Amino acid sequence: GQNIDQPTEMTATEGAIVQINCTYQTSGFNGLFWYQQHAGEAPTFLSYNVLDGLEEKGRFSSFLSRSKGYSYLLLKELQMKDSASYLCAVSPTDSNYQLIWGAGTKLIIKP
Amino acid sequence: KAGVTQTPRYLIKTRGQQVTLSCSPISGHRSVSWYQQTPGQGLQFLFEYFSETQRNKGNFPGRFSGRQFSNSRSEMNVSTLELGDSALYLCASSTRTGPNYGYTFGSGTRLTVV
Repeated sequence: GQNIDQPTEMTATEGAIVQINCTYQTSGFNGLFWYQQHAGEAPTFLSYNVLDGLEEKGRFSSFLSRSKGYSYLLLKELQMKDSASYLCAVSPTDSNYQLIWGAGTKLIIKP
Repeated sequence: KAGVTQTPRYLIKTRGQQVTLSCSPISGHRSVSWYQQTPGQGLQFLFEYFSETQRNKGNFPGRFSGRQFSNSRSEMNVSTLELGDSALYLCASSTRTGPNYGYTFGSGTRLTVV
């Protein structure tokens, strides 16, 4: 079957760094997405990884290891507004472009 | 450009009734996917429409149905509502071409069944 695992909840301190992990088992792999979702709002796109390695976008970075079926989202210099759920999604090769979603990680930032 | 528009934003219905939700995709996006989101369950895929044809379908009962019009706008319908259908319903539109196909969500319709 196809499966994506993320921690349910994480807590971090304002100004610190946090790493949110995502592991996946899917039938083939096109790419991996990270989305941010604030409570009661729509998910918004953060990053898309296809090749192995780290991609940096300001305070947010996303890492992918295709051989290990593993990704992480790294958030630096945490701000209170980063309190949100972070969703990992994979595009398998045989899914006709339909994404497979993890249940999301709720990140709580404390002052 | 305008984003994905979902209407209505909030809806309260009684058990046994039916409901229709609407989604207008980003201009040029021909694919519309629908999801149900409940606390702790993540995004559960309902179905996807592309050029008025259902291309993918999730594991939901036949009470959940949808359609897409020639202008790419999509509707989903839930008949004989149950209390468990209370959820945030999200639609996402995309170009559905290439590996990163601009998957963009609407703000959702929050349905409460009482």
